[in-house]
Amino acid sequence: AQSVTQLGSHVSVSEGALVLLRCNYSSSVPPYLFWYVQYPNQGLQLLLKYTSAATLVKGINGFEAEFKKSETSFHLTKPSAHMSDAAEYFCAVSGENQGGKLIFGQGTELSVKP
Amino acid sequence: DVKVTQSSRYLVKRTGEKVFLECVQDMDHENMFWYRQDPGLGLRLIYFSYDVKMKEKGDIPEGYSVSREKKERFSLILESASTNQTSMYLCASSFGDRVGSYNSPLHFGNGTRLTVT
Repeated sequence: AQSVTQLGSHVSVSEGALVLLRCNYSSSVPPYLFWYVQYPNQGLQLLLKYTSAATLVKGINGFEAEFKKSETSFHLTKPSAHMSDAAEYFCAVSGENQGGKLIFGQGTELSVKP
Repeated sequence: DVKVTQSSRYLVKRTGEKVFLECVQDMDHENMFWYRQDPGLGLRLIYFSYDVKMKEKGDIPEGYSVSREKKERFSLILESASTNQTSMYLCASSFGDRVGSYNSPLHFGNGTRLTVT
């Protein structure tokens, strides 16, 4: 069975500081990994996805994530936080035996202080 | 741009009522999903559908049913609403067939916040 664990339900950073949101997964098949962002009162939007082409994946709004098989991790980073990055972030996993079904983590709320 | 539209943004219903949540997508996607979102629990899959008239149970189907009579429309039904079904409900769609859609991103609607009193 597949599962996703996001470490830290709430992360707070100062504007301009590094953003690091942690995601660990378990999967019995090669995983396909996603990060989504949810701004207040909106649905989820895709930030980036890993599909085995490259271990470092670049997404929208300056975010990137690195797939580390040995650590079963897919952490999301951004070098310099902006106030507009304040949102909830979800990591999700799928696999070749899962069709289009995604399993989501619990979410991490990011706050950005001025 | 893919648009997934959920018919209601906010809904208040009484315990025991039958509730319909409607979702329509305009990109001819094969796959459609219903998730519920609760604080600290993330998104949990209720039901999904790979094709018209097809449906499969997700992780928490109890108390819910679905209907997909047309490709673009996927309805979630609460047969007899209960207070523990108070939640945010999110509909999503994606491209691809059952086998090949594992790396297709989901496109989400803005959600329906349901309160059952």
